[in-house]
Amino acid sequence: DTAVSQTPKYLVTQMGNDKSIKCEQNLGHDTMYWYKQDSKKFLKIMFSYNNKELIINETVPNRFSPKSPDKAHLNLHINSLELGDSAVYFCASSGATGANTEAFFGQGTRLTVV
Amino acid sequence: GENVEQHPSTLSVQEGDSAVIKCTYSDSASNYFPWYKQELGKRPQLIIDIRSNVGEKKDQRIAVTLNKTAKHFSLHITETQPEDSAVYFCAASNGDKLIFGTGTRLQVFP
Repeated sequence: DTAVSQTPKYLVTQMGNDKSIKCEQNLGHDTMYWYKQDSKKFLKIMFSYNNKELIINETVPNRFSPKSPDKAHLNLHINSLELGDSAVYFCASSGATGANTEAFFGQGTRLTVV
Repeated sequence: GENVEQHPSTLSVQEGDSAVIKCTYSDSASNYFPWYKQELGKRPQLIIDIRSNVGEKKDQRIAVTLNKTAKHFSLHITETQPEDSAVYFCAASNGDKLIFGTGTRLQVFP
């Protein structure tokens, strides 16, 4: 059983389009995250949700809008895609409030904007 | 906010040798320091972690040390094997968010 799953795994789209990435975890965790990994492999936190509530919103353009319908799901919607949005996006979850326990990552979504 | 620096960015060793990766952090409130391994095309996975009340932790061939005074922590891999080749990330958390270092690409040559 996959603990944290993301769909799609690959996403190729044109500039200006709107796209969504879905994430689900079956670990019963309260906290979920979105991370962006650029071409240099830097892993940067974008958002953190605890039990459906936004906890952390790093300086991310407001074209990125996370949505958590319940604590097992955290989806990422991106409007007006730009070339610089091309990256691998990782969803993750952890069991505790806050970030002091192991984070389990999804398999990543490779977004390519052309 | 927290800033985590990681060195070196690349590291090449011969199979059987040891590898050491070092990280420094800026937020003195940080109290949780995990290390993640990311193989090519795969997700990051936790390999070992240490909390601020401990100075050293070991798990088979990997060990982590923490110096809270100096705000640095290190990953030590002994008897390296080709399957240890991957990108390794350190991270630090003060409880609010997990901030990652910039990663070290380790290559182990047979």
